[in-house]
This record gives sequence, structure tokens and C-alpha cells, in this order.
Amino acid sequence: SQQGEEDPQALSIQEGENATMNCSYKTSINNLQWYRQNSGRGLVHLILIRSNEREKHSGRLRVTLDTSKKSSSLLITASRAADTASYFCATDDSGNTPLVFGKGTRLSVIA
Amino acid sequence: ETGVTQSPTHLIKTRGQQVTLRCSSQSGHNTVSWYQQALGQGPQFIFQYYREEENGRGNFPPRFSGLQFPNYSSELNVNALELDDSALYLCASSSDFGNEKLFFGSGTQLSVL
Repeated sequence: SQQGEEDPQALSIQEGENATMNCSYKTSINNLQWYRQNSGRGLVHLILIRSNEREKHSGRLRVTLDTSKKSSSLLITASRAADTASYFCATDDSGNTPLVFGKGTRLSVIA
Repeated sequence: ETGVTQSPTHLIKTRGQQVTLRCSSQSGHNTVSWYQQALGQGPQFIFQYYREEENGRGNFPPRFSGLQFPNYSSELNVNALELDDSALYLCASSSDFGNEKLFFGSGTQLSVL
């Protein structure tokens, strides 16, 4: 079963614009992570935010977490064509439980 | 480049056959997780191995089985293949039982005809 659900399913923007994608989940979490997947390849870890954190930055990435709404958002600023990929949120409810992924958002950045 | 390697990259089998997929973990990692990713979907957890013991299993039938070896490499075996088993199979390694950052291989694309 999938815990997280990303929104939108697909997003198309122009190079230089910001891209925002959202993730909603159902149960309490230990932490939430975002991963990126280029077409048909393995996933790459982008950023982790713990349940007691509200915002985190890494380069052009900004992640927010609202545990009261059970939701997270990933913002990519000044997008580039190379950011074209699928983005997944993943959660676990404790350190010992498996990481559960959502269905992902397909981002297309047009040069 | 994560240091996690999977083989083969592509595989074609027929229904009813058996398949073995292999994964070499990143150096220093003693935990490996296997995921199945159908086209257009997110990865679905199959099982996890920690220090050669199964440590959690997702909603997959017993014909999906695995092994982890003393060098922490791993195998995923699927018996009696079904058409719905066609998917990208991903392994991910991590250190010390943790899920805080998984390092994924590039996957094995399995097609069942």
C-alpha cells in the first residue's frame, strides 16, 4: 500500500520558474523524505525532514512539513531542464519500519 | 553514482519461469531493501534484510523470496512468474537498519511474456 500521495501527478513548467509539488500522508510519521527518479532509473535521495521540523533547505530545494495537516511540499527554485524527473515522497512511522513511497509527481522543465 | 549495482539490467522471461536478480550493496552498508515499481507507480516494498536476516516484508506472496550474503550482497528470487510481475525491481542499501537515506541501484527491468 502507498502511504503518501503526491499532487499534482504531472507538472510542466518553463526553465527558470519554480516548481512546487505536494505530498499528503495518512498516519503519523517518523520522518519524510523526497527522492528523485530519472526515467526508468534508480531513485536518488534529495532531502529528509523529521517530524519535529517544519522547514528544511538544500541548495535550490525547500521542503516544508505540516504534521497537523499530514502534508509536505517540495519547492524547486529556478528550475532547469535537468530537473526533469519524477519526484517521490516517502515516509516511515518509526526507524524500524519500511520506507513507503507515494506514486510520484512527473516534472517536465521546458527549456 | 550510488555504489549499488544490480544485475542484470534487463531480463525477459515467460510465465511460470523462475528468476534471480542480484544486488551489490554500497560499501559499509549492512541493510538491503527490495522494491517493485510498476510502470507509472511508486516503488512498493517487497522485503528488507539486515545482517542476513529478513527484517520486514511487504504484501507480496511467498513466491517472492530473498537472501543476503555475508558480504551483504543480496538476491531476489521470484518463482512461478506471472504477467503482473513485469516491473522495475530496485534494491536499496542503507547502514545499520536505518531508512533515513536509501541508496538505490539502477534496477532490473523484468518483462514476463
